[in-house]
Amino acid sequence: EAGVTQFPSHSVIEKGQTVTLRCDPISGHDNLYWYRRVMGKEIKFLLHFVKESKQDESGMPNNRFLAERTGGTYSTLKVQPAELEDSGVYFCASSQAGRLRGDQYFGPGTRLLVL
Amino acid sequence: RKEVEQDPGPFNVPEGATVAFNCTYSNSASQSFFWYRQDCRKEPKLLMSVYSSGNEDGRFTAQLNRASQYISLLIRDSKLSDSATYLCVVNIMGDYGGSQGNLIFGKGTKLSVKP
Repeated sequence: EAGVTQFPSHSVIEKGQTVTLRCDPISGHDNLYWYRRVMGKEIKFLLHFVKESKQDESGMPNNRFLAERTGGTYSTLKVQPAELEDSGVYFCASSQAGRLRGDQYFGPGTRLLVL
Repeated sequence: RKEVEQDPGPFNVPEGATVAFNCTYSNSASQSFFWYRQDCRKEPKLLMSVYSSGNEDGRFTAQLNRASQYISLLIRDSKLSDSATYLCVVNIMGDYGGSQGNLIFGKGTKLSVKP
């Protein structure tokens, strides 16, 4: 079974540019989560989809971040315009329906560097 | 105060040593508890869940003390392959009694097992 995949693996952009990250969850997983780790800090929750609906977006830092999950399959996270403090590793995770616990499967992450 | 606090580390131990990781959490509504392992530049992976009665998986033993809001992980007979960062993770109970779904991570403790 394929795991969670993320694209791109790395992205280097300039301040003010736009970047779109993509996450493909494990097939059949209704729950999809985005997390972020900035340098020197702990991994922090951004938002949670159940199928195509946003269940919880309390962790989104500001309105420069927009997440979508059209059709309830893959998800995108767009940062527009990017700022220096957005640099970090963005992880996506998925879990099965009803499994609102810790057994989330993480993707390899997208390393974003904003210059 | 951080929601999940861990020993800062790093821990450098010889092969065969026993090593203990400690973690405290601040939110008494925390419902589920986990240890994740993260290898360098990789994604976090679930190592084990932590139950109130304590649980063991081979060389790994996890303990939970709800009264003290304290979680521990013990690794016996450590191997070179145990070298990684160990993340203490909790999951909060939602208003409706279910889990909120999102995970709250500690910063992690780096373990280095030397020959």
